[in-house]
Amino acid sequence: QVQLQESGPGLVKPSQTLSLTCTVSGGSISSGNYFWGWIRQPPGKGLEWEWIAYIYYSGSASYNPSLKSRVTLSVDTSKDQVSLKLSSVTAADTAIYYCVRREYYGSGGDAFDLWGQGTMVTVSS
Amino acid sequence: QSVLTQPPSVSAAPGQKVTISCSGSSSNIGHNYVSWYRQLPGTAPKLLIYDNNKRPSGIPDRFSGSKSGTSVTLGITGLQTGDEADYFCGTWDNSVSTYVFGTGTKVTVL
Repeated sequence: QVQLQESGPGLVKPSQTLSLTCTVSGGSISSGNYFWGWIRQPPGKGLEWEWIAYIYYSGSASYNPSLKSRVTLSVDTSKDQVSLKLSSVTAADTAIYYCVRREYYGSGGDAFDLWGQGTMVTVSS
Repeated sequence: QSVLTQPPSVSAAPGQKVTISCSGSSSNIGHNYVSWYRQLPGTAPKLLIYDNNKRPSGIPDRFSGSKSGTSVTLGITGLQTGDEADYFCGTWDNSVSTYVFGTGTKVTVL
């Protein structure tokens, strides 16, 4: 079965760039009607989730407008990986970052049908 | 800032039914499909419902979804202690061109 695993530093200094990688195992990032992306959840705010962005294996991406100026998303099909870079981070970017798979259905609908376990990133000096 | 409104909490005894509402607007729920997720304590969210009322493989029929206008509802029947979790809805919002999520609902089994 397909699994998603996030990796990257757990601590980032303010004003620096947060970099995370998601590795897809048990399947190919290039298969199916799937987009690959990121959603975050601030700690202590258990009932709050924020979509960041997602990307198709071809490189076509969609970004949350509120974060777009700071986000870079890329895909490496040879490694079945998708990478997130978030620049100029502040304490407000402290969150659990989840790698997700977005399935696009024939109906026109979509959903995040697969989630990684999440990785906690703290922004602090 | 969530644009989809859910009740903060709902509760019921084991075996009973709960419903969770998710209210939005014409720019999101009114014109797009909605999905529902469950997040057990300390774990990643899991997809329960997509396209308003469809269940992914492996999700029991105790979980159901419905839509009316700019609101959707998640129903859970035969409530179990293992259903204690946070539940949230999600959909695309055309006015802000972003995927939005609900405020989340904590389900407690009494």
